[in-house]
Amino acid sequence: SQQGEEDPQALSIQEGENATMNCSYKTSINNLQWYRQNSGRGLVHLILIRSNEREKHSGRLRVTLDTSKKSSSLLITASRAADTASYFCATDASRGGSEKLVFGKGTKLTVNP
Amino acid sequence: GAGVSQSPRYKVAKRGQDVALRCDPISGHVSLFWYQQALGQGPEFLTYFQNEAQLDKSGLPSDRFFAERPEGSVSTLKIQRTQQEDSAVYLCASRLYGANVLTFGAGSRLTVL
Repeated sequence: SQQGEEDPQALSIQEGENATMNCSYKTSINNLQWYRQNSGRGLVHLILIRSNEREKHSGRLRVTLDTSKKSSSLLITASRAADTASYFCATDASRGGSEKLVFGKGTKLTVNP
Repeated sequence: GAGVSQSPRYKVAKRGQDVALRCDPISGHVSLFWYQQALGQGPEFLTYFQNEAQLDKSGLPSDRFFAERPEGSVSTLKIQRTQQEDSAVYLCASRLYGANVLTFGAGSRLTVL
């Protein structure tokens, strides 16, 4: 079963606005990653934040991590129509054996031109 | 090749048929993962290989699902006696040993009629 839960499930905004997506998870993690998926495509890695980090930036992306609340947020600033996609958080809770990433259900973002 | 290659991209099977889905990971990527993604959901872990060894198959939903990677490169996911609930996109991903980030293929969309 999926560990991460994103909210909102769907988000529709206008070009130029900021988009914020949240992710909650259940167990202790080594790191948390965000991936993007365009319709009919595979997932593409966006950004990784380690459990000892609180905030990370990459271009127009800003990720925060609160391990005490077991939650993360992804902020996309100055959104563009090309940002329209589904966004997933994925947690890495590897404990010497299973190397898998566990994905949430995703947030479907629509950016209207 | 430059990316993770999956074939076929689309497969329609009649209920009860066997199907085989192929994944060609990035050269040198030791770790290979299979995920199942139902419509509107996040990817669900199926199985994980390190080279030719299948180290985790805890996500395979039934004994109708079988995966192999005999030479530590190309992998095949086989589904026997397909059922309608097997309809999904099957995603393959690979990564370097010890790396955190997965590189996904475009997926194989299976429709069982």
